[in-house]
Amino acid sequence: GESVGLHLPTLSVQEGDNSIINCAYSNSASDYFIWYKQESGKGPQFIIDIRSNMDKRQGQRVTVLLNKTVKHLSLQIAATQPGDSAVYFCAETVPGNTPLVFGKGTRLSVIA
Amino acid sequence: SQTIHQWPATLVQPVGSPLSLECTVEGTSNPNLYWYRQAAGRGLQLLFYSVGIGQISSEVPQNLSASRPQDRQFILSSKKLLLSDSGFYLCAWSRRGTVSTNEKLFFGSGTQLSVL
Repeated sequence: GESVGLHLPTLSVQEGDNSIINCAYSNSASDYFIWYKQESGKGPQFIIDIRSNMDKRQGQRVTVLLNKTVKHLSLQIAATQPGDSAVYFCAETVPGNTPLVFGKGTRLSVIA
Repeated sequence: SQTIHQWPATLVQPVGSPLSLECTVEGTSNPNLYWYRQAAGRGLQLLFYSVGIGQISSEVPQNLSASRPQDRQFILSSKKLLLSDSGFYLCAWSRRGTVSTNEKLFFGSGTQLSVL
């Protein structure tokens, strides 16, 4: 769910390693999930999405995993590069007329 | 292709002054439009969203207001800014329909507002 009042957790990863960013969502009725990447001073950019009838979806160097049993979403980035350094947000939608709810975000720092 | 324009990129305003931030979308019709605020190092807080001209939903009671005078124009305003209004303001759009029809948001480049 939305936690806009909390400082962001940070994940530090060595360049070339794989990164795993986790997100616990709040509503068991949520049926659509998105990962966004936000670089400093810019608006969030769409990375990948997944619907609740799936448990895994792959993109270019990224994979999203969905575990509905424990309400957990993860973003895996393969061969992390310095350009991947950013804040990553998960977002969920629930049935009904409500907008996307964003998670608190995780700052990914890539060590060269 | 669709594009979203948001301006100004940065703004420094004194306490008590008015505010007007503008956002326009090109290349699509009847989009859903959104205003978010982000404090430094924090998450995204939804302020307003709109599913059509003149239709505004407010998520958080505050010193701000929003208007949608045209289909692809969304304006964020304040009559008197407070120090706590400082932050990074983001406009976003999604395809037409109800706001929860599993449509991703596309964000503008943001406006960094500093109220002094």
